[in-house]
Amino acid sequence: RKEVEQDPGPFNVPEGATVAFNCTYSNSASQSFFWYRQDCRKEPKLLMSVYSSGNEDGRFTAQLNRASQYISLLIRDSKLSDSATYLCAVNINYQLIWGAGTKLIIKP
Amino acid sequence: NAGVTQTPKFQVLKTGQSMTLQCAQDMNHNSMYWYRQDPGMGLRLIYYSASEGTTDKGEVPNGYNVSRLNKREFSLRLESAAPSQTSVYFCASGSDTQYFGPGTRLTVL
Repeated sequence: RKEVEQDPGPFNVPEGATVAFNCTYSNSASQSFFWYRQDCRKEPKLLMSVYSSGNEDGRFTAQLNRASQYISLLIRDSKLSDSATYLCAVNINYQLIWGAGTKLIIKP
Repeated sequence: NAGVTQTPKFQVLKTGQSMTLQCAQDMNHNSMYWYRQDPGMGLRLIYYSASEGTTDKGEVPNGYNVSRLNKREFSLRLESAAPSQTSVYFCASGSDTQYFGPGTRLTVL
């Protein structure tokens, strides 16, 4: 079993819809959690950190479920510009362990 | 704001050739990292440096060497390139949150 797992997708979603995807992790000692966005042929860029209490940044909401060992990302009112691959990352002993990413395609 | 810079952006090598990928950051971070990214496999850590003067192996260090030249610079060397090292290489810096350079697309023929 991989340490960090994501559904690779692609998720094909109409513009304006809400989409959510999860990322599961296997190490209960994981200390911090992140969502990154990666556009085609570009570097990953931090989208948001994930806090225990959950956090929101505009149309994006991230949540952590330590009991079930997963984090989630919810995107409301999706835009064409949200099309990208979303990577989750889990910090274990000061190293980030990465999921392989979930591809999101927003269709007009 | 430069952030993390990498050179070169693209490189084609023949099997057995050597090359060094350069990385520099201007954010005064102690920690720096080298990853490779292959389709469907996500980012895999090659080497990292927790501070100037120290380096440690990551998940896939075979075939690579690194040098932490100073706090700003962290280079990755391929001594004898192999086709299996065809990949996109990213340098990153930061401790909890990591910031990435634009990547180097390497093809080994």
